[in-house]
Amino acid sequence: KAGVTQTPRYLIKTRGQQVTLSCSPISGHRSVSWYQQTPGQGLQFLFEYFSETQRNKGNFPGRFSGRQFSNSRSEMNVSTLELGDSALYLCASSLVQTDYNEQFFGPGTRLTVL
Amino acid sequence: GENVEQHPSTLSVQEGDSAVIKCTYSDSASNYFPWYKQELGKGPQLIIDIRSNVGEKKDQRIAVTLNKTAKHFSLHITETQPEDSAVYFCAAVYDYKLSFGAGTTVTVRA
Repeated sequence: KAGVTQTPRYLIKTRGQQVTLSCSPISGHRSVSWYQQTPGQGLQFLFEYFSETQRNKGNFPGRFSGRQFSNSRSEMNVSTLELGDSALYLCASSLVQTDYNEQFFGPGTRLTVL
Repeated sequence: GENVEQHPSTLSVQEGDSAVIKCTYSDSASNYFPWYKQELGKGPQLIIDIRSNVGEKKDQRIAVTLNKTAKHFSLHITETQPEDSAVYFCAAVYDYKLSFGAGTTVTVRA
């Protein structure tokens, strides 16, 4: 069974631009979560989607948004990029949204903002 | 929200020795505690997890213990091998969200 895939793997943008990242979950998984990983802040939860609905959101500004499609694929968008948005963005999928949330991560998208 | 603290931040062990990583969490409602291993250039990989109704779980050379009263859980790796060198993260699930510790960089010396 194929794992979680994320595209693109690397991205370079300049301040003020916007970016869209894509995530394809493991087949059959309906929950997709997004995380930001930086050396200073570690792994931080962005948001989680289940059946095309955002069920949870972390403490990030409104510039960060996402959506999920009917096939469970998900995208996240960051508008008006700032230098501090440079990070590894990780997507994780799980079979269902339960307390025992076994999440499987993709390889991430490395975003560099210049 | 949940706050997870992880110690130590770095750990160097001789091949064949054991490694122990400790985490504490703040919210008594958390009921699922996974551990992830992240190698350079890769996403975190789930290596073992434990649910709040279990005190200990073992999988070959890896074991995890949970003390709900103390809000403390630990990862134990025995007979360490060079391929165990990586960054390890503990996490706690609160309100369906994973809250991660800051990570432990484990280096296994040959």
